[in-house]
Amino acid sequence: AQSVSQHNHHVILSEAASLELGCNYSYGGTVNLFWYVQYPGQHLQLLLKYFSGDPLVKGIKGFEAEFIKSKFSFNLRKPSVQWSDTAEYFCAVNRDYGGATNKLIFGTGTLLAVQP
Amino acid sequence: GAVVSQHPSRVICKSGTSVKIECRSLDFQATTMFWYRQFPKQSLMLMATSNEGSKATYEQGVEKDKFLINHASLTLSTLTVTSAHPEDSSFYICSAREWGFGYTFGSGTRLTVV
Repeated sequence: AQSVSQHNHHVILSEAASLELGCNYSYGGTVNLFWYVQYPGQHLQLLLKYFSGDPLVKGIKGFEAEFIKSKFSFNLRKPSVQWSDTAEYFCAVNRDYGGATNKLIFGTGTLLAVQP
Repeated sequence: GAVVSQHPSRVICKSGTSVKIECRSLDFQATTMFWYRQFPKQSLMLMATSNEGSKATYEQGVEKDKFLINHASLTLSTLTVTSAHPEDSSFYICSAREWGFGYTFGSGTRLTVV
């Protein structure tokens, strides 16, 4: 079965600390990869996405992610977090069949709390 | 960019009644929309894929007769929770994909069944 794993369920960091959130998926073939963020009381927002090309993807708000195909991973990173980064982060994957019906499957989410 | 509007944002209904949630793509045509359910402090679980002009495709374990999905036009999909019960209380989110732009999510609907 398709699955997306986020190993860190709850992360607590101090401001200015570096962040890395893990994401692994379980199936081969061509995939598209996404990271979404959900701030408290708000809806999902796209942080970044990978479709093809450079495996190091830069997103909004200083986030980046690296696609490592051999490891089936798409880890999210930020060199220096801020209190405003406190949110829940979701990794999501779909298999690229070349159509709009591709299902987007989410990981379990990682709740990040940044302490001032 | 693509915008998906979801309405209502919050609804409280009595047990046994039905509730309809609308999802509209405002500036693009969405032949496919997706419905998710999010439990508190949990991830988004895909419920069904809504296909314009045809039947929805439900994920395993999702009751088709309880969660009715209609996708009558290229910009509108509706999810109707029939005979709602307190265990149906949840946060429901729709999304649509515009080719080349990834997925855009609605703002969600908080359903509370009392």
